[in-house]
Amino acid sequence: AQSVTQLGSHVSVSEGALVLLRCNYSSSVPPYLFWYVQYPNQGLQLLLKYTSAATLVKGINGFEAEFKKSETSFHLTKPSAHMSDAAEYFCAVSEVAGNQFYFGTGTSLTVIP
Amino acid sequence: EAGVVQSPRYKIIEKKQPVAFWCNPISGHNTLYWYRQNLGQGPELLIRYENEEAVDDSQLPKDRFSAERLKGVDSTLKIQPAELGDSAVYLCASSPGLAETQYFGPGTRLLVL
Repeated sequence: AQSVTQLGSHVSVSEGALVLLRCNYSSSVPPYLFWYVQYPNQGLQLLLKYTSAATLVKGINGFEAEFKKSETSFHLTKPSAHMSDAAEYFCAVSEVAGNQFYFGTGTSLTVIP
Repeated sequence: EAGVVQSPRYKIIEKKQPVAFWCNPISGHNTLYWYRQNLGQGPELLIRYENEEAVDDSQLPKDRFSAERLKGVDSTLKIQPAELGDSAVYLCASSPGLAETQYFGPGTRLLVL
């Protein structure tokens, strides 16, 4: 069975500071990993995905994530937070051969001016 | 290219009433998903379609929930009768096929009184 754990349901950073959102997964087979962002009253938008190519994945809006198999982690980072980054962020895992996503419970990011 | 379209965006009903949600996926996407997202949680899969066939409905509460995708394009999710605990955001997503990125609609926010 697969699962996703997002440590920290709420994260606050100052504008311009580093953003680090944590995601750990459990999977019995090599996974696909995703980060989605959800703005208020909107659906989920794909930020980036890992599909067994390069372990450092760059996404939209300056975000990137690194797949670390030894740590079963896929943490999301951004060097400098912007006010517009305030949103809910979801990590998701999917088996390579399957098509079902398992989502984490989400991390709410607040950016302090 | 148009994204995933959902309607209505908001729905308020009294308990025991029926309700239906509609989803039109991205053109050419064979796989369609319905998710339920409770407040403060990540999306949970209700049902997945490959074309017109429901291939994973194990999480769909079949006593009150039903779904259809008759022509393999748009889909309808129905609840009858609705219960207070059904209040949530119902998300529709589509993908080109197996293990592909999922694209989400804006969701339908349901409030059952």
